[in-house]
Amino acid sequence: SQQGEEDPQALSIQEGENATMNCSYKTSINNLQWYRQNSGRGLVHLILIRSNEREKHSGRLRVTLDTSKKSSSLLITASRAADTASYFCATAANQAGTALIFGKGTTLSVSS
Amino acid sequence: DAGVIQSPRHEVTEMGQEVTLRCKPISGHDYLFWYRQTMMRGLELLIYFNNNVPIDDSGMPEDRFSAKMPNASFSTLKIQPSEPRDSAVYFCASSFYVISGANVLTFGAGSRLTVL
Repeated sequence: SQQGEEDPQALSIQEGENATMNCSYKTSINNLQWYRQNSGRGLVHLILIRSNEREKHSGRLRVTLDTSKKSSSLLITASRAADTASYFCATAANQAGTALIFGKGTTLSVSS
Repeated sequence: DAGVIQSPRHEVTEMGQEVTLRCKPISGHDYLFWYRQTMMRGLELLIYFNNNVPIDDSGMPEDRFSAKMPNASFSTLKIQPSEPRDSAVYFCASSFYVISGANVLTFGAGSRLTVL
């Protein structure tokens, strides 16, 4: 079963615009991760945020975490055509956090 | 390191045939995962290993599915007999788990299976 659910399912924007994707999860977590998947490829880790963090930045990526609402958001600023991909949030499938389960993802399309 | 290597990249087979998917994890990683991805169900965790030992296979859909990890550098996922509903992309991922940290996975490119 899915722990995280991304919203929206699909997002289309123009280059230069910001893209925001949301993830909601059901049970308490120690950390939450975001991954990107380009068409026909495997998933690539983007960023991890721990439960005691509220916001984290990495380049043009900004991730927020609200544990009271059990939600996270991924913001991509000044998007580029190369950001076109599917984005997934992942949380632990077990208490030890050794296995991850993924949401169904948000498909982002950035047109030039 | 060449990353996680999966083979074959594409497999087309007929219903009832045996399918074997292969994975070479990153050297030094102690966890290995098999996932299946479909449009309908998204990414499903099938099974994972720690130090070559299967830890949780509750995601394996049926007895037709089996996975082995005979050594630290090789794992197989076998489907016998295959059915059309097994058509999906199968991903292998590996990681080095830091107890105080989190498990960050490195994925292979996937094996796209089509069962006719």
